[in-house]
Amino acid sequence: SQQGEEDPQALSIQEGENATMNCSYKTSINNLQWYRQNSGRGLVHLILIRSNEREKHSGRLRVTLDTSKKSSSLLITASRAADTASYFCATDAETSGSRLTFGEGTQLTVNP
Amino acid sequence: AAGVIQSPRHLIKEKRETATLKCYPIPRHDTVYWYQQGPGQDPQFLISFYEKMQSDKGSIPDRFSAQQFSDYHSELNMSSLELGDSALYFCASAIGFNTDTQYFGPGTRLTVL
Repeated sequence: SQQGEEDPQALSIQEGENATMNCSYKTSINNLQWYRQNSGRGLVHLILIRSNEREKHSGRLRVTLDTSKKSSSLLITASRAADTASYFCATDAETSGSRLTFGEGTQLTVNP
Repeated sequence: AAGVIQSPRHLIKEKRETATLKCYPIPRHDTVYWYQQGPGQDPQFLISFYEKMQSDKGSIPDRFSAQQFSDYHSELNMSSLELGDSALYFCASAIGFNTDTQYFGPGTRLTVL
């Protein structure tokens, strides 16, 4: 079973709008990371939030983490067509060394 | 800055053939991870190495084997290939064991016909 589940599975918005993606996980974690992947290409690391952090910002990205609910959200503000990609959350569980367990991903489409 | 290098980038094989994927970590990185991403799927952890020793093992089929060499590069050997092995294979490298950030390579796309 997957450690992370993401919702929505697909999201379509207009340029300039904000996009919010959610991720849930099952076990205790050391950190949670968000990655971006353009169609069938490499994984690009976006942001990492540690288990003792609640919110983190990086440019137009805002990540929140609620360890009591075992969930995280990624907010992309003022979206651009170039933000169109799949977004994955990945957790580094406390009991599994450093392996990352990925969620199922959200396909974001930003329409110009 | 140097990144993780994977070769080949694309590979086409027939069923029952063998494939070898190579990963060259970022200089001074001593940890390598392998992930498999099937079509429309999320990446799945296969195996990792730290200082040339296997450090963790995930859902890697018995037909697959991997190792990390003295120069820290790693190879994933896949035998008796099946259609279901068609996927994108990522390698990631890191400094040290139990570290936060893994740096992913561009992936090798394996197609089994």
